[in-house]
Amino acid sequence: EIVLTQSPATLSLSPGERATLSCRASQSLAGYLAWYQQKPGQAPRLLIYDASSRATGIPGRFSGSGFGTDFTLTISSLEIEDFAVYYCQQRSDWPITFGQGTRVEIK
Amino acid sequence: QVTLRESGPALVRPTQTLTLTCTFSGFSLSTGGMCVSWIRQPPGKAPEWLALINWDDDKYYNRYLRTRLTISKDTSKNQVVLIMTNMDPVDTATYYCARAHYGEYWFDPWGQGTLVTVSS
Repeated sequence: EIVLTQSPATLSLSPGERATLSCRASQSLAGYLAWYQQKPGQAPRLLIYDASSRATGIPGRFSGSGFGTDFTLTISSLEIEDFAVYYCQQRSDWPITFGQGTRVEIK
Repeated sequence: QVTLRESGPALVRPTQTLTLTCTFSGFSLSTGGMCVSWIRQPPGKAPEWLALINWDDDKYYNRYLRTRLTISKDTSKNQVVLIMTNMDPVDTATYYCARAHYGEYWFDPWGQGTLVTVSS
């Protein structure tokens, strides 16, 4: 199965700062990667699909980039509501797999 | 508005069979391209994809759990059912259902999830 490795495990930042999250795949995904946000007690919410397309209703401060094995989720200026856990997910091959997550916490 | 809701037992005993139901609205599984998937998430861990069924009744399973899983749909009731056999404490997790589109397999939206605890 394709293994997704997210880094860092935890990112400590202040509101207004830029967040850069990484997801690395064990083999090429082409552009078939998504990002989700999960807040405590809630289900994950789709943010980005196909590496760089924002899902419906997602603010413009969220952007995704990458191709092949290296992908990045960027939050240009953190809002209080952005402090959460972020997961990447690939659909390039079965089984569908998720990364282990990056927690973005308030510094 | 698309919504999904999971239902099933909160507690199952080891070796028992778990049956979960996903009831959805805002779309139909008789519409070409529609899919519903099951995903679980152990406490404090990452999500794990389990199974997916599409409008044409094609089924896809996580091969590491394939022998224990069965997914099915009842289009008239807007429901998808997941059966998992031989439950073990390591299967304790929140179980989610989510919508996807054929060939894209991004999950949006998800249901609220149902916590299943496996304990004697």
